[in-house]
Amino acid sequence: EVQLVESGGGLAQPGRSLRLSCTASGLTFDDYAMHWVRQAPGKGLEWVSGIGWNSGDIGYADSVKGRFTISRDNAKNSLYLQMDSLTPEDTALYYCTSFNNYVEAFDFWGQGALVTVSS
Amino acid sequence: DIQMTQSPSSLSASVGDRVSISCRASHDISTFLNWYQQKPGKAPNLLIYATSNLQSGVPSRFSGSGSGTDFTLTISSLQPEDFATYYCQESYSTPLFTFGPGTKLDMK
Repeated sequence: EVQLVESGGGLAQPGRSLRLSCTASGLTFDDYAMHWVRQAPGKGLEWVSGIGWNSGDIGYADSVKGRFTISRDNAKNSLYLQMDSLTPEDTALYYCTSFNNYVEAFDFWGQGALVTVSS
Repeated sequence: DIQMTQSPSSLSASVGDRVSISCRASHDISTFLNWYQQKPGKAPNLLIYATSNLQSGVPSRFSGSGSGTDFTLTISSLQPEDFATYYCQESYSTPLFTFGPGTKLDMK
């Protein structure tokens, strides 16, 4: 059974930083590009960032470019999102998801990590 | 950047109804279009990939069609478990992606 488990969410003040982690099991982690997708309370899905299997092909949404940094450690089956200069608009549930290159879609999802940015 | 729109934004229907949800891309995305279902408090679930291919385990009452800029998700006979929010998502502009704003399907 594939499991993606996010951690590191919580409350942060505006301008501060948080680091999210996602640990994968049940899949060959380095076969997959990995992504973060967020969902603000009561809102839709927003793609945030993605990273290729070998840490190449990194992309960011304009809303987080220059503030967020995605990385991965294939030896630890782990994905990370360093979030700096947080704003209240970054308040959301952050999902870790795997991108299946054969179907070119997000096939597995974690349950999400809640990030709240508030003073 | 590719923009995605969906219509309607919300839809009320009854068990047994046939429903269709539209998704439109601002640029030609060929058939690089996926559909997800999300129930309250749950992560999204992949339903259809590459416009018309059912993900493993998805009931055959779900189908997808379209190409270029216009796409449709159809549920042939609504079941109680189908009331949820549906999102389209383009995978044309990898490694950047865009989701549609969602269509909330609820019970009439």
